[in-house]
Amino acid sequence: KAGVTQTPRYLIKTRGQQVTLSCSPISGHRSVSWYQQTPGQGLQFLFEYFSETQRNKGNFPGRFSGRQFSNSRSEMNVSTLELGDSALYLCASSSATGPGNTIYFGEGSWLTVV
Amino acid sequence: GEDVEQSLFLSVREGDSSVINCTYTDSSSTYLYWYKQEPGAGLQLLTYIFSNMDMKQDQRLTVLLNKKDKHLSLRIADTQTGDSAIYFCAERASNTGNQFYFGTGTSLTVIP
Repeated sequence: KAGVTQTPRYLIKTRGQQVTLSCSPISGHRSVSWYQQTPGQGLQFLFEYFSETQRNKGNFPGRFSGRQFSNSRSEMNVSTLELGDSALYLCASSSATGPGNTIYFGEGSWLTVV
Repeated sequence: GEDVEQSLFLSVREGDSSVINCTYTDSSSTYLYWYKQEPGAGLQLLTYIFSNMDMKQDQRLTVLLNKKDKHLSLRIADTQTGDSAIYFCAERASNTGNQFYFGTGTSLTVIP
């Protein structure tokens, strides 16, 4: 069974640009959540989607957005990139949402903003 | 958000046991987790424990939970060089979703 797949793995963008990251969950999983990992802030929750609906949202500005498609694949978008957005963006999938469900992570997308 | 704290670094000799500690704040957490992250990689689920358990053993891994003190530990027996990585404990937020709060991570170095 394939794991969580994230693309692209590495990318470099310029301040002010926007970026779209993609996540394909484990087959059969309907919940996708996104995390940002930086050396200073650690792992921070961005948002979670379940059956195409945003379930929860972390404390990030509106420049960070996401969506989920009917096949459970998810994308996140960051507009007007800032240097501080440089981070590892991790996607995690789960079969369902709520207590008792474990989340499984992808390898992440490394974003560098210059 | 919730506060999950871990010590930053741990160094052990190969063959010894490693104990990684974590404290959390949300007393309503139902599940607590340990993840491992190797350099340049994502997070790998190691094990988890339900809050009504005190201990869970899984091969070389032993998780101890002291719910009164909100203290979680991960013991790795017979630590190997391949265990060198960053270990994160995590608690699930008390809402109904899949929002997790992660600790700062403990960097484990195994000395041959």
